[in-house]
Amino acid sequence: NAGVTQTPKFRILKIGQSMTLQCAQDMNHNYMYWYRQDPGMGLKLIYYSVGAGITDKGEVPNGYNVSRSTTEDFPLRLELAAPSQTSVYFCASSYTSGDGYTFGSGTRLTVV
Amino acid sequence: EDKVVQSPLSLVVHEGDTVTLNCSYEVTNFRSLLWYKQEKKAPTFLFMLTSSGIEKKSGRLSSILDKKELFSILNITATQTGDSAIYLCAATYSGAGSYQLTFGKGTKLSVIP
Repeated sequence: NAGVTQTPKFRILKIGQSMTLQCAQDMNHNYMYWYRQDPGMGLKLIYYSVGAGITDKGEVPNGYNVSRSTTEDFPLRLELAAPSQTSVYFCASSYTSGDGYTFGSGTRLTVV
Repeated sequence: EDKVVQSPLSLVVHEGDTVTLNCSYEVTNFRSLLWYKQEKKAPTFLFMLTSSGIEKKSGRLSSILDKKELFSILNITATQTGDSAIYLCAATYSGAGSYQLTFGKGTKLSVIP
């Protein structure tokens, strides 16, 4: 049982480049989330999904996009990367909205 | 404005000490309060609290929720160096027809031998 798998673990992007952060879970969880964590700032929600085909914005969605074509996968797309998007990105999932989350191991992204 | 506030932001203790970490929240349509431990990488789930006054316990860690005063505490007794981590709390709540969760900034605990 792999849990929540994120790839890549590290990435350096140049300003203006695009990339997709992958997230997959094998627990049949309905809810999936993308967070970013900046030093001393806690976790901030970017986007979330309550099931396949349904996504919604979180607290800091600007500059990102998501899709949820299957229950298992929830990729996060960065278009036109900016230095402000330098952060650690965590994907998480839960079975219901009130459950504890299972987190992926994170992606450390640097935009230069 | 911050909806979830943790204190202290950092704490240094000696092995064997007991620590209490605080988490206050201010959200409407509150559903649950979650505690996580974050070491080098992803946060790992510790507790979910939904009812006031009922202590949840796991080994040397325990937590309780006060829904009247809108806070929760996380206690760690007989601390060990392996308890060194950032402890995050998060409040889940319903808003604008959707489900929300907000994390505090965390308490960085350092346990020295």
